[in-house]
Amino acid sequence: DAMVIQNPRYQVTQFGKPVTLSCSQTLNHNVMYWYQQKSSQAPKLLFHYYDKDFNNEADTPDNFQSRRPNTSFCFLDIRSPGLGDAAMYLCATSREALLPGYEQYFGPGTRLTVT
Amino acid sequence: AQSVTQPDIHITVSEGASLELRCNYSYGATPYLFWYVQSPGQGLQLLLKYFSGDTLVQGIKGFEAEFKRSQSSFNLRKPSVHWSDAAEYFCAVYGQNFVFGPGTRLSVLP
Repeated sequence: DAMVIQNPRYQVTQFGKPVTLSCSQTLNHNVMYWYQQKSSQAPKLLFHYYDKDFNNEADTPDNFQSRRPNTSFCFLDIRSPGLGDAAMYLCATSREALLPGYEQYFGPGTRLTVT
Repeated sequence: AQSVTQPDIHITVSEGASLELRCNYSYGATPYLFWYVQSPGQGLQLLLKYFSGDTLVQGIKGFEAEFKRSQSSFNLRKPSVHWSDAAEYFCAVYGQNFVFGPGTRLSVLP
């Protein structure tokens, strides 16, 4: 089935040790998103790619970076994770950035623990 | 900028009972509206969406939602809840940008 895949599902890293989370999609969608979701909170958009164009949310910390080497893959890099970065990280895709193609399809998420 | 509120943080219903989850938005025009469900430890799944047209929208898993412009609301309903419906429900609004509400956690009693 076409879908959004996130690896790994669970990731443990040490304080200050760089970590990379991976997302891939078989939907051939133009837009890929990264969200951070802390416990009992709504997902918060970090940034998104429209094709190769990177769009950063204004309040996303510099500690968070992203790469999209091709249509199918997108990576979230956390350069120096702090304890406050422990969260669920959700990847999503949409066919377009504007309606009517805006419906977002989510992956299962990666739970990041920082020790 | 738009905003979305979900007044109920946590709702508990008995299996077989009806359900209504509230969602209110603030936006200068008619936004585009979504309901997502998130099971524990999982990603989000789209239940239904409203772009235009008929204000009563049917979704998956027996859910429906009604857009009421006069009340700036987009409430989610289900006539008979199943134990598997226990999850977190997020209303989302697309106006100038895409914003999730804070979520409502649904518990289902056997």
